[in-house]
Amino acid sequence: EDKVVQSPLSLVVHEGDTVTLNCSYEVTNFRSLLWYKQEKKAPTFLFMLTSSGIEKKSGRLSSILDKKELFSILNITATQTGDSAVYLCADRGGADGLTFGKGTHLIIQP
Amino acid sequence: EAEVAQSPRYKITEKSQAVAFWCDPISGHATLYWYRQILGQGPELLVQFQDESVVDDSQLPKDRFSAERLKGVDSTLKIQPAELGDSAMYLCASSYRARDTEAFFGQGTRLTVV
Repeated sequence: EDKVVQSPLSLVVHEGDTVTLNCSYEVTNFRSLLWYKQEKKAPTFLFMLTSSGIEKKSGRLSSILDKKELFSILNITATQTGDSAVYLCADRGGADGLTFGKGTHLIIQP
Repeated sequence: EAEVAQSPRYKITEKSQAVAFWCDPISGHATLYWYRQILGQGPELLVQFQDESVVDDSQLPKDRFSAERLKGVDSTLKIQPAELGDSAMYLCASSYRARDTEAFFGQGTRLTVV
């Protein structure tokens, strides 16, 4: 059975700090790993990673995948209060379904 | 911008009643997912369609839940009878093709069973 573990489960930092969110996975026939941001509504897509070592970047957010060690990280630099959200990691395995972790609840204090 | 449409946004129902949710994926998206998300948890897959065919419904409680996508476009998820433990957010997502393409979520239906 596919398994995705995110850490930490919750994190409180001050505005301007840099944060690193972790995601480890166990999946049969790995295809891709996806990151989503969820505020008080549906998850919004951030990144999809398929290859090791290639960083995906969007503004202050970046993510990278390590297929050998089976983990991914999501970095947010110069955090803002608008970054407060739950960040979800999901892997896509052999059946092409997405298996999600429990998420990291990130709170950015002014 | 194309979006996944879901309705209703909120639903309150009494236990033992029937309830149905509707999802219209982004045009051209062959893969459709239904997820259930309990507060504080990540989404859990209930059923996955590829066009009109069910690809994975291993986590769908089939004694009370059913899902269909008759023409391979929009989809309906039904619960009958609803139980208190079904209170959750029901999310629909779609992707162009499951492999190597991102999935986009609708706004969800917040179900409360009383």
